[in-house]
Formats: sequence, structure tokens, C-alpha cells
Amino acid sequence: ILNVEQSPQSLHVQEGDSTNFTCSFPSSNFYALHWYRWETAKSPEALFVMTLNGDEKKKGRISATLNTKEGYSYLYIKGSQPEDSATYLCAFPYSGNTPLVFGKGTRLSVIA
Amino acid sequence: GAGVSQSPRYKVAKRGQDVALRCDPISGHVSLFWYQQALGQGPEFLTYFQNEAQLDKSGLPSDRFFAERPEGSVSTLKIQRTQQEDSAVYLCASSLGVAASTDTQYFGPGTRLTVL
Repeated sequence: ILNVEQSPQSLHVQEGDSTNFTCSFPSSNFYALHWYRWETAKSPEALFVMTLNGDEKKKGRISATLNTKEGYSYLYIKGSQPEDSATYLCAFPYSGNTPLVFGKGTRLSVIA
Repeated sequence: GAGVSQSPRYKVAKRGQDVALRCDPISGHVSLFWYQQALGQGPEFLTYFQNEAQLDKSGLPSDRFFAERPEGSVSTLKIQRTQQEDSAVYLCASSLGVAASTDTQYFGPGTRLTVL
């Protein structure tokens, strides 16, 4: 059974703080790692698709790194804003060209 | 441009009723996915289409669940004889290509199904 683990489950930070959270996945047979942001009452929004070990991607104040050998990815948010409050999901395909297995998400609340 | 849309956004059904959930993917997207998200969990894969072909239905929890995409565009997820455990958010996503593991998936807002 493929497990994608995310930690922490939830996080409260003050506006302006930087924060990060983790996605862990099996390190064998890596294909890709996806990050999504899901704000309440909206559609999940794709942030990154990461495919190479050592990959580092950035979108505004959000960045992500990937270590396929040890099976983890970090998502960083620099200078958190209230609009960053959302659930951040990572997802991993359980084999080549197959659909995604999602973690339970990290729920971020940014307090103004 | 238009994103993925789903209807209805909310559905309340009495136990034993049949329901049909609709997904309109982004125009031209080949692949379409259905996920079920129970409270406190991440989305769980149900089924997957490339055009009109249903390539993987391994995630459908029982034979009460049925999905179709007859013309390779709009898809319908049907649940027969709904049970309380079917209460969840049902998400639809589409992607442009055929690489299910690496293509970006674009999600709709979901249908929240409550079975009483």
C-alpha cells in the first residue's frame, strides 16, 4: 500500500512569518510529486509538479524542494499572508502513468 | 478561460436514492479523473478516463458507483442506492495530456454529497 504522509496536520502562524511543511513518499520507483493548494469553497489549485531529484520550484512567495532518494519534499512559504490560509496537499502516482495518491494535507492558518 | 465545472455544488439525498454528479472538464482536455474526499482525508482516486475510454476504475468503492464519459467530454458519476458512508466531497479534475502521473490536473470545486 502506498502511503503519502504530510506533516504537520495543521499549522497556525502569524502574518509575516515564514513556514514550511513536509510531504513524505516511498523513495523507490519515483515518477513525480505534485503540490496543490485548496482554499475553502474553492477548487484545488495546482502549485508544482516536480519530477527530478534536487528540483526546486518557485511561485511568488511559495517554493518547493524535492529529494527523491530519501523520499521527501518541502513546501516553503516566505512572509505568510492571510490569503495563504488553505490546505496544502501533496500527491504521488503509485506507479508510472497512473493516477495520484494524495496525502491528508497540511491545514495552514495565517493570523493577521 | 473556463475552468472545470461541477454540478450540483451541493446535493442532499435520502438513503437509498440514486444521485448523478456532473463534471464539465476544460475544453480539449483528454484525461478526466474523479476523486472522493471524506472528512479529514485527502482526495481518494475513484476512476479515470482518456477521452471516452475508462482506463482505470479500481478506486470505485462498490458496484453502486458508475461513471461514464460517452463523448469524451462531459462525465457523470452515478451512485445508486446511496448509503450514509457515501457522504463526501466528489472532485473532478481534467488534464490536457495522457500522462496521468506527471500532467498537471485542474480541479473543479467539487460536489458535496450528504446522505441522510
